[in-house]
Amino acid sequence: QVTLKESGPVLVKPTETLTLTCTVSGFSLSNGRMGVSWIRQPPGKALEWLAHIFSNDEKFCSTSLKSRLTISRDTSNSQVVLTMTNMDPVDTATYYCARILEGDYRDSFDVWGQGTMVTVSS
Amino acid sequence: SYELTQPHSVSVATTQMARITCGGDNIGSKAVHWYQQKPGQDPVLVIYSDSNRPSGIPERFSGSNPGNTTTLTVSRIEAGDEADYYCQVWDSSSDHLFGGGPKLTVL
Repeated sequence: QVTLKESGPVLVKPTETLTLTCTVSGFSLSNGRMGVSWIRQPPGKALEWLAHIFSNDEKFCSTSLKSRLTISRDTSNSQVVLTMTNMDPVDTATYYCARILEGDYRDSFDVWGQGTMVTVSS
Repeated sequence: SYELTQPHSVSVATTQMARITCGGDNIGSKAVHWYQQKPGQDPVLVIYSDSNRPSGIPERFSGSNPGNTTTLTVSRIEAGDEADYYCQVWDSSSDHLFGGGPKLTVL
């Protein structure tokens, strides 16, 4: 069974750096035509893709947030880490990690974590 | 940058058919995916690559992508289908892009 679980702080202060960890099970971070993405959703608003990392370690970040985002992986611990610098109250959102599938699935997100709510406030 | 256009909301009576659209410039040339998000829950992939259903998704869910508007169709609507429905594409100018996620209300 494929599962993903997000972890990280519930509250961060403006200008601080957010670090989120996605721990996966049921699939490998280094094999297959797949990867892990981070997606966020502000309260009452739509989904917004942030970044993803594929099994070949190829990384992509949102063009609009690229200067603030870093994505990396720890294959030995089956974890993907997202860091976002210079946090602002507008970054308050539920942050999800999801598995992204290549091939016939054409980069769709087939399994999602439960999400973790992050509030940015002083 | 690329934009996706979805209605703000869709309402349909139980047992009827709902059609949720997603428009974009030449969207027929892109692979479109659809997600269902029920209140307080995580999104669920219901259609991938325009018209394919993942394992476990009922046949009542179908998708088409013929041109500038792609459509998710849900037939024989049930109360449990009430949710937000997001379309998603990848575009070289906008990365992975989601639509606005209209709310499907079951009357």
